[in-house]
Amino acid sequence: DAGVIQSPRHEVTEMGQEVTLRCKPISGHDYLFWYRQTMMRGLELLIYFNNNVPIDDSGMPEDRFSAKMPNASFSTLKIQPSEPRDSAVYFCASRSGGRSNQPQHFGDGTRLSIL
Amino acid sequence: AQSVTQLGSHVSVSEGALVLLRCNYSSSVPPYLFWYVQYPNQGLQLLLKYTSAATLVKGINGFEAEFKKSETSFHLTKPSAHMSDAAEYFCAVSAENQGGKLIFGQGTELSVKP
Repeated sequence: DAGVIQSPRHEVTEMGQEVTLRCKPISGHDYLFWYRQTMMRGLELLIYFNNNVPIDDSGMPEDRFSAKMPNASFSTLKIQPSEPRDSAVYFCASRSGGRSNQPQHFGDGTRLSIL
Repeated sequence: AQSVTQLGSHVSVSEGALVLLRCNYSSSVPPYLFWYVQYPNQGLQLLLKYTSAATLVKGINGFEAEFKKSETSFHLTKPSAHMSDAAEYFCAVSAENQGGKLIFGQGTELSVKP
């Protein structure tokens, strides 16, 4: 079975450039989560969707970050303009609906470096 | 509000020794608890979960955890460490009033010495 698929796996770009991270959740999962992981702050929830609708974006750092889920099989996280402090590993996770005891399934992440 | 505290950011054990990774939680409603493992350059993988059934939960790779409500703890154990267990381990809590969100601890890095 295909898991959560993220692309690209690595991204290196210069400050000020637009960055787009992509995620394909597990088929049939109706929750999708975006996380950021850094040494200093650990694992942070940025935003999550239910049935393609953003439910909680309180973790999005600032207006430079935006996320969309145009359909059930695709989501993007965009940073524009990017800054060196955005360097981190970004994870996407999905889970099936129903009760909150369902586990989240994670992708392998995108390692982002902003020079 | 919910929170998770993992005691010890680094734990080192010898191969064959007992592994004990500590997790304490805070929750105003009955919690669901999870342990995840993260190997280098990979995402988080579910080890086990507690969802209000049996308090002793068995997971993959020989790990288990016991839910103790009186101690608000969900410690992860493995009787005999293997070199391949070296990784980062995360405890997480959720509940029905959290809209599906997981609250993660800061993680514990496990090292296994030969």
